[in-house]
Amino acid sequence: GAGVSQSPSNKVTEKGKDVELRCDPISGHTALYWYRQSLGQGLEFLIYFQGNSAPDKSGLPSDRFSAERTGGSVSTLTIQRTQQEDSAVYLCASSLRTGANQETQYFGPGTRLLVL
Amino acid sequence: AQTVTQSQPEMSVQEAETVTLSCTYDTSESDYYLFWYKQPPSRQMILVIRQEAYKQQNATENRFSVNFQKAAKSFSLKISDSQLGDAAMYFCAYRLYFGNEKLTFGTGTRLTIIP
Repeated sequence: GAGVSQSPSNKVTEKGKDVELRCDPISGHTALYWYRQSLGQGLEFLIYFQGNSAPDKSGLPSDRFSAERTGGSVSTLTIQRTQQEDSAVYLCASSLRTGANQETQYFGPGTRLLVL
Repeated sequence: AQTVTQSQPEMSVQEAETVTLSCTYDTSESDYYLFWYKQPPSRQMILVIRQEAYKQQNATENRFSVNFQKAAKSFSLKISDSQLGDAAMYFCAYRLYFGNEKLTFGTGTRLTIIP
């Protein structure tokens, strides 16, 4: 596709359930990022993948959060035992690591998660 | 740690007029990037303009330009000839040139365009 895609667009879940959020980056982009946007915390970095390197997980808020990136492309962010404070918009972005505009991150439309 | 501050939670401007959104940041690094992103109600973050810290010349993209003052750690966005489609949340963001590539965002400014 032409841009970063994310699914689902919206997700409603019950407290305590697990959820999986998917991100499909721009073809050819080797770097992938997850951010969280919430009313109380603004935009926060969660995790960063670059090629085959170990991901930078420094932004994950708790061990209930995990992410993987298969085949250097699609990424899944998993939240286990969801809590109400996990309600937020989860944004994915991707970027090139070389060439023109390699520093620019291109964002997907986000997944709005609501935990009841 | 780097921080980005946007002191104007909301701004409004008449259509066709000019508006300036403010952003200041704090860093001890000398090499970094600065960005302005726009987020309309559709939620998708759209890059408006970017600036490399080593460049003294201010970046411009059509009706959008920045005033980058490195010593003052200031990075304001000027929108000329404002259009209804410019209505959105605007976020200022910082990224190191080398090393940790995460974006650090400000809290955003909601821009309203008055017809």
